[in-house]
Amino acid sequence: DAGITQSPRHKVTETGTPVTLRCHQTENHRYMYWYRQDPGHGLRLIHYSYGVKDTDKGEVSDGYSVSRSKTEDFLLTLESATSSQTSVYFCALARSQNNEQFFGPGTRLTVL
Amino acid sequence: AQSVTQPDIHITVSEGASLELRCNYSYGATPYLFWYVQSPGQGLQLLLKYFSGDTLVQGIKGFEAEFKRSQSSFNLRKPSVHWSDAAEYFCAVGANEKLTFGTGTRLTIIP
Repeated sequence: DAGITQSPRHKVTETGTPVTLRCHQTENHRYMYWYRQDPGHGLRLIHYSYGVKDTDKGEVSDGYSVSRSKTEDFLLTLESATSSQTSVYFCALARSQNNEQFFGPGTRLTVL
Repeated sequence: AQSVTQPDIHITVSEGASLELRCNYSYGATPYLFWYVQSPGQGLQLLLKYFSGDTLVQGIKGFEAEFKRSQSSFNLRKPSVHWSDAAEYFCAVGANEKLTFGTGTRLTIIP
């Protein structure tokens, strides 16, 4: 177990409000990832980080930003939430450069 | 860019029967390949992985997968399923520090 926690686990918000999801790790893994999971789409990468202050976009990054100011925390921000961002969000860690990833429990976000 | 296809959206098998879940990938070099399982309301758990070497890899919970380069496939198998295997299964290919997932196969087990 890579020691990954996500907060909050559930959130309901309104369109146009900002939302920040937090991923926290208790081990010193370099790589961290944010995915969203939607029926029929599997998991799609939003953003990822390969070190403190080092981030890059994934395939569905529009409307999302991330920050990593310290190794253990990776934040995902929806600047102005829309209903299309209703989803389950997963954080993942990679222990090595060989892409083996371990996933957190997920955050269910509903945007009304 | 890499891609993954899981052609079966939903499979139903009887408890005790054998199982094979299909996965095809597209990638120009030797891929890193993974199978994950997700139970309802849970995160993803790694079942097994292939990096190199023996093309038949063993995983947890009695699962195995075989890498076939000529067919660009990495199918997941289990000789005898249990009711607890009911879940969604995802195949993924890794490259450039990222994973690309298939859309998943939902497995239903009938008594």
